[in-house]
Amino acid sequence: EVQLVESGGGLVTPGGSLRLSCAASGFTFGTYSMNWVRQAPGKGLEWVASMTSVSGYKYYADSVRGRFTISRDNAENSLYLQMDSLRAEDTAVYYCAREEDGYKPIDFWGQGTLVTVSS
Amino acid sequence: EIVLTQSPGTLSLSPGERATLSCRASQSVNTKLAWHQQKPGQSPRLLIYDASFRATGIPDRFSGSGSATDFSLIISRLEPEDFAVYYCQQYYNSLITFGQGTRLEIK
Repeated sequence: EVQLVESGGGLVTPGGSLRLSCAASGFTFGTYSMNWVRQAPGKGLEWVASMTSVSGYKYYADSVRGRFTISRDNAENSLYLQMDSLRAEDTAVYYCAREEDGYKPIDFWGQGTLVTVSS
Repeated sequence: EIVLTQSPGTLSLSPGERATLSCRASQSVNTKLAWHQQKPGQSPRLLIYDASFRATGIPDRFSGSGSATDFSLIISRLEPEDFAVYYCQQYYNSLITFGQGTRLEIK
């Protein structure tokens, strides 16, 4: 059974940092590109970042470039998102989501972890 | 950035009726277009990929069509469990984008 389990969310003050993790199981993690997608309360889906499987190319939305860093450990079947200089508008549920390499759709989503940026 | 615009924002229909949801891209995405369903309190789920192919386990009342810039998701006969929010997603380039969503509500 495919599983993506996010962790690391919580309450952080503006300007602070947080590191999210996503533990993958039930599939060959190292052959999939991985994404972070967020959803602010009551709003739609916003793609945040992605990282390809083997080559490790990274892509970011303009709204987070320079503040967030995506990384992965294929040996540990894990995906990460380091979030620095957090702002109130970063408040959202953050989903880990997989896609096959090579311009394929997101085909599986984790359950999400809530990040709240507030003083 | 490729902008996806979904219409309508909200669609009010009754069970058994046919639903047609639209997604328009700001530039051609060929057929690199997917549809996801999200129910309250749940993660999204992939319904349709490559514009017209149903994902594994998706009932055949769901169908997708279109290419280039204009796409549709059709639900032939609405079941109670189909009332949810639907998002289109393009994967034509490495910078993924989503539409703003269409809320399908019970009339």
